[in-house]
Amino acid sequence: QVQLVQSGAEVKKPGASVKVSCKASGFTFTDYYMHWVRQAPGQGLEWMGWINPKTGGTYYPQKFQGTVTMTRDTSISSVYMELSRLRSDDTAVYYCAREISGYSFDFWGQGTLVTVSS
Amino acid sequence: DIQMTQSPSSLSASVGDRVTITCRASQRISNFVAWFQQKPGIAPKSLIYAASSLQSGVPSRFSGSGSGTDFTLTISSLQPEDFATYHCQQYNYYPFTFGPGTKVDIK
Repeated sequence: QVQLVQSGAEVKKPGASVKVSCKASGFTFTDYYMHWVRQAPGQGLEWMGWINPKTGGTYYPQKFQGTVTMTRDTSISSVYMELSRLRSDDTAVYYCAREISGYSFDFWGQGTLVTVSS
Repeated sequence: DIQMTQSPSSLSASVGDRVTITCRASQRISNFVAWFQQKPGIAPKSLIYAASSLQSGVPSRFSGSGSGTDFTLTISSLQPEDFATYHCQQYNYYPFTFGPGTKVDIK
């Protein structure tokens, strides 16, 4: 069965960086693009970009260019999302999600709460 | 960026009711729309992709329709486990964007 298991909650100070992991199992890791989506407290969902686990290629929307970096480690079927220069409004739950080729997402990770506070 | 709006923002309904949620895109997006269900403190669950295709394992009481700018999610007979927030998403153009959500609660 498909599973996406994310790393645990983080508390960071403004200006710091955070790296969230997402470990995949139950499918061929390199066959599916992986996306990251975040949700601030009480707010809607916000898409942060994708990574192609086969090639390492990435796409980030303009809002996140320069602050987000997505990487992967094919040896352990994991993708990572690193967000730098954290601000208080980066406080959110961060989700990884698997893309059904060209058709949005089918499976989601359980989410990782990142709290940015001085 | 494409703006996705949803109506209503919330609704109260009873078990067995037929519920319809509308999503409108600020420009034409063909059928590149997905719907997600989310319960408090839990990750979203994927319901529908390509506007009307049901994800595997999703009950048939859920259906989606629409093309262009106007889309609907319908629950034919609301069940207790369906009380949740529903989000639409467009994935035709970057950046992918979501609607603000529609909360369905118990009347």
